[in-house]
Amino acid sequence: EVVLTQSPGTLSLSPGERATLSCRASQSVGSSYLAWYQQKPGQAPRLLIYGASTRATGIPDRFSVSGSGTDFTLTISRLEPEDFAVYYCHQYGSSPFTFGPGTKVDIK
Amino acid sequence: EVQLVESGGGLVQPGGSLRLSCAASGFTFTNYWMHWVRQSPGKGLVWVSRINSDGSGTTYADSVKGRFTISRDNAKNTLYLQMNSLRAEDTAVYYCARVWFGELVDYWGQGTLVTVSS
Repeated sequence: EVVLTQSPGTLSLSPGERATLSCRASQSVGSSYLAWYQQKPGQAPRLLIYGASTRATGIPDRFSVSGSGTDFTLTISRLEPEDFAVYYCHQYGSSPFTFGPGTKVDIK
Repeated sequence: EVQLVESGGGLVQPGGSLRLSCAASGFTFTNYWMHWVRQSPGKGLVWVSRINSDGSGTTYADSVKGRFTISRDNAKNTLYLQMNSLRAEDTAVYYCARVWFGELVDYWGQGTLVTVSS
């Protein structure tokens, strides 16, 4: 099973600041099989980025991902008020499909 | 517009059973694989099960294997999760989700809460 670890657990930032979220896998994840989801309280997750770096429909370009193999980074270049949420990385390359524990981005 | 609407959650005693349903609309249900994913209160996301487009192939997380059964009725555009021998640790919001390509999930329902407690 591929175990995903995310850091930090919580990131406290102000609107306009840059957010850097890390996702580390216990074994190499093919770049095509790594995705990121955003979840707000009481809502279902929303697909942000898949195939390691492709933004889903309607996702603004302030969201970007870098990395490969076992280390991936989601960057939000300038935080907007609607970006404060929990972010999960997810590998869908091998069963069981696994999620990281999430990084909460909250308002400082 | 893609819509996934779960139902069937509720309070059940340990050892009991529940069947969740997920009504799909806004897309050709028969063309898509589907997943169930759960989220315990205040916790992260955990994949539970998946089924292929015609229902002939299923996969389960070890934690639910032998207790849960995923199925679908393509004539009714509905996905199911039969949950037996429920345990306290099965308490969670259960989401159905559509597989876009590969095993990538693109759309999620709003979830249904299952509480296992005496």
